[in-house]
Amino acid sequence: AIQMTQSPSSLSASVGDRVTITCRASQGIRNDLGWYQQKPGKAPKILIYAASSLQSGVPSRFSGSGSGTDFTLTISSLQPEDLATYYCLQDYNFPLTFGGGTKVEIK
Amino acid sequence: QLQLQESGPGLVMPSETLSLTCTVSGGSISSSTSYWGWIRQPPGKGLEWIGNIFYSGSTYYNSSLKSRVTISVDTSKNQFSLKLGSVTAADTAVYYCARFHSNYDGEYFHQWGQGTLVTVSS
Repeated sequence: AIQMTQSPSSLSASVGDRVTITCRASQGIRNDLGWYQQKPGKAPKILIYAASSLQSGVPSRFSGSGSGTDFTLTISSLQPEDLATYYCLQDYNFPLTFGGGTKVEIK
Repeated sequence: QLQLQESGPGLVMPSETLSLTCTVSGGSISSSTSYWGWIRQPPGKGLEWIGNIFYSGSTYYNSSLKSRVTISVDTSKNQFSLKLGSVTAADTAVYYCARFHSNYDGEYFHQWGQGTLVTVSS
C-alpha cells in the first residue's frame, strides 16, 4: 500500500498568515491526490482534487500543488473559520490511503 | 442534492459483527461515476479508509481489514452496507459512509454522511 506522510502534524498561526501543509507519497502517484478539511465534530469536506483543482464553492485562499511524490496545500491568508484538521488522500490506486492529518490552530 | 445517512447499532459486543447501512437519497446508487465507500475514525485519531464498492458489486478493501470486512450494495433500496467481523475495542470509531466520485476530471470523496459512533464494549 502507498504510504502518505503528512507534515506538520499540527501548527499554530495567526489570522492572515500563509499556511503550508505537505504530503509525501511513498511512490509516485501522478496528481492523484485530494485534500480534505475536517472541522471538529463534522465529516470531512473535499477542498482540492487532482492535486490542484479547487472544488466548487471552496474559497480561493485554498490552493494545491505538486505531482509525483510531493504535494502541498496552501492557505494564502488564514481565517478563523479555517480551524480544522486537514488530510491528504491518495486515489492513485486501491487501497486508498490518508495522510496522518495536520491540525491547524489559530493563535 | 445527494445525501447519505448511516444507520446501525451504536454498541457492539467484542467478537461480534458490526453492521452498518448507508442510505443514499437525492440520487441513484447505480451511477457509473460513483463508488460508495466506508471510512472510519477512532476517537481523537485520523481517518482510515475501509473499502469501496461499485453498484455492480465490485469491491476494494483495506488490506489490514480485508479478512474481516464485507461491503455489499442493494440497488433496489439505494443502500450499501458494511459488516466487520470479530470486532475488538480497537474497532471503536466514528464510521462514515461517502460517495467516491470517479470521472475523467478526478476522483475524490464528494458527499459524506454525518458519521455514526460505534463503540465495542461488553
